[in-house]
Amino acid sequence: KAGVTQTPRYLIKTRGQQVTLSCSPISGHRSVSWYQQTPGQGLQFLFEYFSETQRNKGNFPGRFSGRQFSNSRSEMNVSTLELGDSALYLCASSLEGLGQGFSGANVLTFGAGSRLTVL
Amino acid sequence: DQQVKQNSPSLSVQEGRISILNCDYTNSMFDYFLWYKKYPAEGPTFLISISSIKDKNEDGRFTVFLNKSAKHLSLHIVPSQPGDSAVYFCAASDSNAGKSTFGDGTTLTVKP
Repeated sequence: KAGVTQTPRYLIKTRGQQVTLSCSPISGHRSVSWYQQTPGQGLQFLFEYFSETQRNKGNFPGRFSGRQFSNSRSEMNVSTLELGDSALYLCASSLEGLGQGFSGANVLTFGAGSRLTVL
Repeated sequence: DQQVKQNSPSLSVQEGRISILNCDYTNSMFDYFLWYKKYPAEGPTFLISISSIKDKNEDGRFTVFLNKSAKHLSLHIVPSQPGDSAVYFCAASDSNAGKSTFGDGTTLTVKP
């Protein structure tokens, strides 16, 4: 079955601009979560969407937002870009979502990421 | 407050030897732990998991050990292979809060 697809894979923006990243989860997966990866910072949780509703949110400013559509596809938006937003943005999907019990239904399948460079 | 810590940013081992990657956590509400492996230019992939009701889980060359009293888990890879060279992330999950937290990762290099 097709994996998690993220577009675009690479993009370059300038400070003050905004960006929209897209994520298509594995068919049947209802949870989509987003992470930011920067050197030395590991994977920082941005937010999780489940059935079109934001279920959890990390500690990021309001410039970071997201949404999920009825087909489970998700987008995240970053407005008023700053140099520090340069990072790899990873999307992950799962059947039931983060922390939802012991079963394999909460194992995350990640996309390859969108590499954002802010100049 | 970083709830999941991987104190070793990097680890280098010889092919055929054991690799031990460590992870410490502070939140006693974590009840499920996972390891993910990440190659350059790819997303992380699930490797192995363990629930808090167990202290060991084994899958082929990979074994995860959980010490709840010490809030510590480790991933053992035996024998290590050059293809195991990657970044390994430890993740901890709180079922009640519906959240998972990742460590900063450990870069494993297995030398031929």
